[in-house]
Amino acid sequence: DAGVTQSPTHLIKTRGQQVTLRCSPKSGHDTVSWYQQALGQEPQFIFQYYEEEERQRGNFPDRFSGHQFPNYSSELNVNALLLGDSALYLCASSLRKKLEETQYFGPGTRLLVL
Amino acid sequence: AQKVTQAQTEISVVEKEDVTLDCVYETRDTTYYLFWYKQPPSGELVFLIRRNSFDEQNEISGRYSWNFQKSTSSFNFTITASQVVDSAVYFCALGMNTGFQKLVFGTGTRLLVSP
Repeated sequence: DAGVTQSPTHLIKTRGQQVTLRCSPKSGHDTVSWYQQALGQEPQFIFQYYEEEERQRGNFPDRFSGHQFPNYSSELNVNALLLGDSALYLCASSLRKKLEETQYFGPGTRLLVL
Repeated sequence: AQKVTQAQTEISVVEKEDVTLDCVYETRDTTYYLFWYKQPPSGELVFLIRRNSFDEQNEISGRYSWNFQKSTSSFNFTITASQVVDSAVYFCALGMNTGFQKLVFGTGTRLLVSP
């Protein structure tokens, strides 16, 4: 049973650049959530996708955008990168139809902005 | 507003000691969900347990046990006979019954188990 996968594992960008992170949900899951975890901090909710639409959004600027594909995989895009965007980006998947919605996390993508 | 408080920033124990990680939550929702996740140095958040607000039954899974008390808004986690492999950051999280559930995490407790 394939778990949540994310790519790439590490990424280095410079300020002002754009980045795209990818996530494949756990087999059978239909909902993807993204979280940002700064070093030494707790994860912060960015947004959640279900049926290819953004369903909930946390307190993040419009520079953060996403997409969900028909196969339930998802992308997180960040434009005009700032130094403060350096963090571990975690993707979580869940099964909405089951209504218990336990979120299972992937290994994360470590983004460093120089 | 929803909030999770983990007052213990770091705990150090010696192997085989029992340790309890505290979690206190705040929510106005009558239906909600509580979670514990483990984050080893690799970074991946590992799901440990989920508890619904309407189910106050305590749970034991091997060396792990959880004590949920709605009266004190607490969901504490105890590791019995700790092992070095238990060293990690442990997060308590609150999920609201909004239909599309986002998780609000506590600040985490770093557990260091030394041999």
